[in-house]
Amino acid sequence: DVVMTQTPLSSPVTLGQPASISCRSSQSLLHTNGNTYLTWLHQRPGQPPRLLISKISKRFSGVPDRFSGSGAGTDFTLRISRVEAEDVGVYYCVQATHFPGTFGQGTKLEI
Amino acid sequence: QVQLVQSGAEVKKPGASVTVSCKTYGYIFTSYAIHWVRQAPGQRLEWMGWVNGGDGKTEYLKKLKGRISITRDTSATTAYMELSSLTSEDTAVYYCARDPFGVIEQSLWGQGSLVTVSS
Repeated sequence: DVVMTQTPLSSPVTLGQPASISCRSSQSLLHTNGNTYLTWLHQRPGQPPRLLISKISKRFSGVPDRFSGSGAGTDFTLRISRVEAEDVGVYYCVQATHFPGTFGQGTKLEI
Repeated sequence: QVQLVQSGAEVKKPGASVTVSCKTYGYIFTSYAIHWVRQAPGQRLEWMGWVNGGDGKTEYLKKLKGRISITRDTSATTAYMELSSLTSEDTAVYYCARDPFGVIEQSLWGQGSLVTVSS
């Protein structure tokens, strides 16, 4: 199975300041159909995960534009341009290029 | 309102089985698959399997084959996940989800169901 490794595992941040999370996969996530199925999820305490970004950089409906994704192949980054209080929680990168889909270990964003 | 509503928390003894249900609302059930993902304490999320809402075909995580069964009832617009031969390692929050990986950008998650396995 593809192993997803996130860094850092914990990130103290300051409101209004930027934050970034890195994700590395053990294999290239470029699918034979040309898409790269790298997704970012956000989970607040006590809530289910919710989709932020799919296919590296496509924001899901309703996701603020302060969130952006980038990367290719095996290295990906989630950036938050200005952290807001509601952004606390755990962020997961996920790959769906290879079966089975696999998750990173999560990065905890703390104010 | 488009949503997935799961059954409540369960406490099971080792060796028992558990069934978690996922009732869907607000969309055409047969047009989407329902996936199951679990989150054990201190562990990363783990995809378990899925059922095609239309034809009922399933696919499972290899390590769970033989213990997991995912089914659906189209008339009830509900999916079910049964896990047998439970051990303490199956203690987790179980989520059902539509498009959890955002492949078709129709992601939707249930609220989660805590299953505790304890003697």
